[in-house]
This record gives sequence, structure tokens and C-alpha cells, in this order.
Amino acid sequence: DSGVTQTPKHLITATGQRVTLRCSPRSGDLSVYWYQQSLDQGLQFLIQYYNGEERAKGNILERFSAQQFPDLHSELNLSSLELGDSALYFCASSPNPGGTEAFFGQGTRLTVV
Amino acid sequence: DAKTTQPTSMDCAEGRAANLPCNHSTISGNEYVYWYRQIHSQGPQYIIHGLKNNETNEMASLIITEDRKSSTLILPHATLRDTAVYYCIVRPDEGENRDDKIIFGKGTRLHILP
Repeated sequence: DSGVTQTPKHLITATGQRVTLRCSPRSGDLSVYWYQQSLDQGLQFLIQYYNGEERAKGNILERFSAQQFPDLHSELNLSSLELGDSALYFCASSPNPGGTEAFFGQGTRLTVV
Repeated sequence: DAKTTQPTSMDCAEGRAANLPCNHSTISGNEYVYWYRQIHSQGPQYIIHGLKNNETNEMASLIITEDRKSSTLILPHATLRDTAVYYCIVRPDEGENRDDKIIFGKGTRLHILP
């Protein structure tokens, strides 16, 4: 158990819909990262937050947005969903922005039908 | 883009040492070498990291060449449960103003053979 909790574990929704994925970082970790992994694809970095502020951005679509709340949990919002958004979405956390290991949750499997 | 190069796949016999190479010829002086692995569809798992000295923990050993342009992850006694994709990553050290997003490449798919 990495200490990072992601909910829900599975999500099935229709095209055009909007969903919210939630991540609770390890206790005390200030930095949160979001990744997307499509079937048989690599881990694509989406976005990173540190202590409530956006710190780094990857190839995140404009239909996707994220935020980190004062209690340090984070949410990834996916809207106008397309079939190609079906993927595993992972969250990771680390104590500091850099120089330390990051711990990953078990992911949310999103299926868009 | 990932700053590392790894073989696409490797096989290793169960009980043997698995040696996974990684090239990072453009590594900067303040960048660490990290290794993670991902067992099928699970979240990536941190293994080990180092700057210039060799490192060892309960999971693995990390050997970094003197010029820091390459490294090798060693799993001393591979088991079937070590079958996974192994990622070698370079990241800057701690710093408030550094861009430190963790970029995963394609990794090495390690098959442990019974």
C-alpha cells in the first residue's frame, strides 16, 4: 500500500459526459502528479500541483482540468469525454517538488462507451 | 521527452540476477537517477534512486558509472513476481524553482522465466 488513495477504482460513462477523479495523497505530501495510461501505452504526464498551486503541465487536453485543495487532495476533471479518453489515470504524491521518490496510487480505470 | 534509453525487453531466469541497463548520456550534475517498475496495470512502484554513488536497498542495487552517463539496476535474485516494466528516469534534485515533472519513457519489459 503506497498510502495514495484514488477513487473511484472503476468508472464507466458515456461519450460527452463529465467525470471527476479524486486523489488523496500520502499524509504530509504536498506535491501531487496526474498521469494517463492508455491501453498498452506509456505513462503520460498530465499535470503537477504543489501545495495548492499548479507547478508543471504536460500534454493535458483543454477538456481536462485539475486542482489541489487546501487539504491537499486533488481532483482531475475530464469533460466532453471521447472514446479515446478511456485509460488508466494514476495519481502520485511526494513530500517535495523534486529530489524525492513519488508514490503512486492504484489508479482509476475510466471506460468511455 | 524522456532523457533515458532502455532496451525494450529482457528475459531472466528465476533465481538469477537481473541486470537492467539504462543510458542517460545527457544527465546534468544535479539530476538523480530513479528506477520505478509497473506490474501489469498497477500503479508504478518506486525501487531506488541515486546521484553518483552506488546504492542498495531491500529491493535492488543501483550501479552508476563514474561519468554518470549510464546505470544498471540489479535485482539480485529474480522471482516471477519481478515480471514488470522497469522505468529509468532522471529527475533534478530538490529545488523550489526547478521543473521536476516525472517523465516516463517506454521502459524495459522484464520477463522472469521459470
